[in-house]
Amino acid sequence: AQSVTQLDSHVSVSEGTPVLLRCNYSSSYSPSLFWYVQHPNKGLQLLLKYTSAATLVKGINGFEAEFKKSETSFHLTKPSAHMSDAAEYFCVVSDGTGGFKTIFGAGTRLFVKA
Amino acid sequence: DAGVIQSPRHEVTEMGQEVTLRCKPISGHNSLFWYRQTMMRGLELLIYFNNNVPIDDSGMPEDRFSAKMPNASFSTLKIQPSEPRDSAVYFCASSLAGRKGETQYFGPGTRLLVL
Repeated sequence: AQSVTQLDSHVSVSEGTPVLLRCNYSSSYSPSLFWYVQHPNKGLQLLLKYTSAATLVKGINGFEAEFKKSETSFHLTKPSAHMSDAAEYFCVVSDGTGGFKTIFGAGTRLFVKA
Repeated sequence: DAGVIQSPRHEVTEMGQEVTLRCKPISGHNSLFWYRQTMMRGLELLIYFNNNVPIDDSGMPEDRFSAKMPNASFSTLKIQPSEPRDSAVYFCASSLAGRKGETQYFGPGTRLLVL
C-alpha cells in the first residue's frame, strides 16, 4: 500500500529566507512523487514531479525537491521565499497500484512574513 | 487550452435537494478524477474514470453520491439527497491516460454549501 505523510501542517518563514516543506512516503513499488500548490480559492497546480529519472527535480517558481529512496523522503525546498509563495502545498504519491490511484498528503500551509 | 472547466463555481442548496456538479476535462485527456476537499478530511479522491469507465469508486462516501461520464468531454457528480456534511469544495481533474507519473490538471472547483 502507498501512503504519504507531510510532517508539518504549518510552516512560517520570512521573505527572503529558505523554505523547507517535508514529505515522507511509503510505497511497495517505484513511486512517482509530486508536489502541487494551491493558492487561496484556487485549484491545485503542479509544481514538480519525480518519475524515476534524476533524483533532484526542479519545478516552477524556483522550487525543487530531492527524491531520497533511503530516507523515503521527497522534501520541497526553495532558496528564498517570496510573499507570493504563501499557499498550501500537497505532496502526492502514485506507485501504479490500485489502478494508478494517487494519494495526497494532508497539506502544509506556508506563511510568508514580510 | 481552456483547462478543466467546472460548473457551477458556487452552489448553495438546502438539505434534501439534489445537487449536480459538472466537469469538462481537457480535450484529449482520457482520465478524469473527482475529489472532495474539506478542512477536516483534506483532499479525498472520490472516483476516477479511464476512457469513460469508472475504475475505482471506493472513495464515494455513500449511495447518495453518484458519478457518470457519458462521453469523453463531460462528467457529472450528483448528490441526492444532499446533507449539510456534504458541504465542501469539489474538484475535478483530468490527465492524459491515468498512468503512474502523469500530471493531473485540476479545475477551479465547485464550492458547495448545504444548509
